[in-house]
Amino acid sequence: AQSVTQLDSHVSVSEGTPVLLRCNYSSSYSPSLFWYVQHPNKGLQLLLKYTSAATLVKGINGFEAEFKKSETSFHLTKPSAHMSDAAEYFCVVRRAAGNKLTFGGGTRVLVKP
Amino acid sequence: NAGVTQTPKFRVLKTGQSMTLLCAQDMNHEYMYWYRQDPGMGLRLIHYSVGEGTTAKGEVPDGYNVSRLKKQNFLLGLESAAPSQTSVYFCASSYLPSSGGGELFFGEGSRLTVL
Repeated sequence: AQSVTQLDSHVSVSEGTPVLLRCNYSSSYSPSLFWYVQHPNKGLQLLLKYTSAATLVKGINGFEAEFKKSETSFHLTKPSAHMSDAAEYFCVVRRAAGNKLTFGGGTRVLVKP
Repeated sequence: NAGVTQTPKFRVLKTGQSMTLLCAQDMNHEYMYWYRQDPGMGLRLIHYSVGEGTTAKGEVPDGYNVSRLKKQNFLLGLESAAPSQTSVYFCASSYLPSSGGGELFFGEGSRLTVL
C-alpha cells in the first residue's frame, strides 16, 4: 500500500520570501514522486518529478524538491515566492511500474504582497 | 499540440438524467484516468484504463461507467445523475510507468452540477 501526507493544508507567505511545502510518503516499493500545481479553475500541471535519478530535482518556475529516502519525504521549495505562485499544490506517489497514483490532500498557498 | 481535451467544460443536469463526458488525448498514451475533485477531498480516482478495450475500477466507481473503444478516447458516463455527483471531473493520461516516470497529463476539467 502507499500513501501521501501533505503536512500543511494552507501555507501563507509574503512575496519574495521562501516557500516550503511538506510531503511525506509511504510506499512498499521504490516510488516515483511528483509535485503538481493547480491554479484556480484550471487543470493540474506538473512541476517536477523524481524517478530514482538525482535526489535533488529541479522543476519549472524556480521550484525544486529533494527526495530523502531515510525520512520518506519529498518537500517542495522555492527561494522567493511570486504572486503567481498562489495556487494549490499536490504531492503524488506512484509505485515503480505501477498503474495507480496516490494524491496527497493538497496545500493551498497564499502569497501576500 | 492539444494534449488532453475534455468536453463539455460545463454542464448542468437534473437528477436522473444521463450524460457522457469525453476525454481525448493526442499523445499516444496507453493509460487514461478519470478523477473527481471535491472541496477538502483532493482527487479521487473513478475509473482508469491501461489500454484500448480495457477498463478498471478506481476508488469511487459507483454510479459511473466508462469505455475505451479507441486508444485516444476515454468516455465517462453517468446513467442516472445524482446531486452527490456534482463535482469537477478531470481526465488524465500517461505513458507506461517504466518509460519516463509515468507522470499524468491533465485536461482542464469538466464542471458538472446536478440539481
